[in-house]
Amino acid sequence: GAVVSQHPSWVICKSGTSVKIECRSLDFQATTMFWYRQFPKQSLMLMATSNEGSKATYEQGVEKDKFLINHASLTLSTLTVTSAHPEDSSFYICSARDLGTTNEKLFFGSGTQLSVL
Amino acid sequence: GQNIDQPTEMTATEGAIVQINCTYQTSGFNGLFWYQQHAGEAPTFLSYNVLDGLEEKGRFSSFLSRSKGYSYLLLKELQMKDSASYLCAYNQAGTALIFGKGTTLSVSS
Repeated sequence: GAVVSQHPSWVICKSGTSVKIECRSLDFQATTMFWYRQFPKQSLMLMATSNEGSKATYEQGVEKDKFLINHASLTLSTLTVTSAHPEDSSFYICSARDLGTTNEKLFFGSGTQLSVL
Repeated sequence: GQNIDQPTEMTATEGAIVQINCTYQTSGFNGLFWYQQHAGEAPTFLSYNVLDGLEEKGRFSSFLSRSKGYSYLLLKELQMKDSASYLCAYNQAGTALIFGKGTTLSVSS
């Protein structure tokens, strides 16, 4: 199946710093990628839809200036958590759909555990 | 709206059968997914139903009734390694999956 690579797997940072998370589709092109956030023992909450070559679409309640998304190529989307605070500590997961197939299945990256001190 | 509901927790013993139910309400429905997620890991795909009926894949089966907005995941011959969170999600064509809160399944010996 299609492979989505996400990096880094975990990061610890100080409050006020910015953190960039990369999501790559390794063997397919993804014009659209999805970013989710998951707090402990809760489900995945969609944060935003990343669109190649255009602005991301954010879900209600997600601050676009805090969670910057860039999708500059067909295989790479990045999420930057700006001025991170302890409440931003969470598990962030990206996903993409292989448009080369008729399957609507989403493939997930391995996730990034962010801990803000 | 985006409403999807599943039980929070379930317990079962090794070798048993367990059924995890999921109900949903949405317009523009385009498929129902089940994912398995172990703590600290990304979800892994289990099944996909777009038409009514039962899809069987080894020990796991999934059922869908579009008219009732209802699906279930059936796990047979439970093993300890099946202890995980099971996420139900629906799809609107071309968009992200919308997930339920997940059902934590604990399998005991």
